[in-house]
Amino acid sequence: QLQESGPGLVKPSETLSLACTVSGGSISGYYWSWIRQFPGKGLEWIGYIYYTGTTNYNPSLKSRVTISVDTSTNQFSLTLSSVTPADTALYYCGRGYRFADVWGQGTTVTVSS
Amino acid sequence: DIQMTQSPSSLSASVGDRVTITCRASQDIGHSLAWFQQKPGKAPKSLIYAASSLLSGVPSKFSGSGSGTDFTLTISSLQPEDFATYYCQQYSGYPRTFGQGTRLEIK
Repeated sequence: QLQESGPGLVKPSETLSLACTVSGGSISGYYWSWIRQFPGKGLEWIGYIYYTGTTNYNPSLKSRVTISVDTSTNQFSLTLSSVTPADTALYYCGRGYRFADVWGQGTTVTVSS
Repeated sequence: DIQMTQSPSSLSASVGDRVTITCRASQDIGHSLAWFQQKPGKAPKSLIYAASSLLSGVPSKFSGSGSGTDFTLTISSLQPEDFATYYCQQYSGYPRTFGQGTRLEIK
């Protein structure tokens, strides 16, 4: 199971930080992804990380996004800097690098002052 | 980026019907396509990968086909729990990209 956590409200120009906790299995040996869904329901792939730390990001976000992993806590994290209202979305964590075969329930992040 | 276009955007059907949703890629993606089902207030659920392979636990009423640029998802004998929004996603190239979704509604 995957569970996202983090603030639901972030101010413009600040940094969004989310964590995904992997339970019922090890984070090791797998790739882990972040995907977001906009209010209009469109889905956007943010990027992935391998448990060793190798990453791949969406070029449209690459200058602002960092995904990290902590195998000791079975968690991986997303940080997105310099957020704007356009970053308001439902953020999902998932397993896999081709596609997410397992998804978290998602967490809503609103960017507003 | 590889653009994924689904048609139709919405579809009305009755219980027991068979429906087909189409997904078209802007370039050849081979068989690198996945399908997802999303119900209101829930996360997407993966159904099919490699264009036609069902994930474990997915009923055989779901089937996928296609290769290259044109793909289809077929759902047979629709039941009330099948009415949802369906998305395709390519994983041939980066960034991974999704179709805009097809909303399947009860007629």
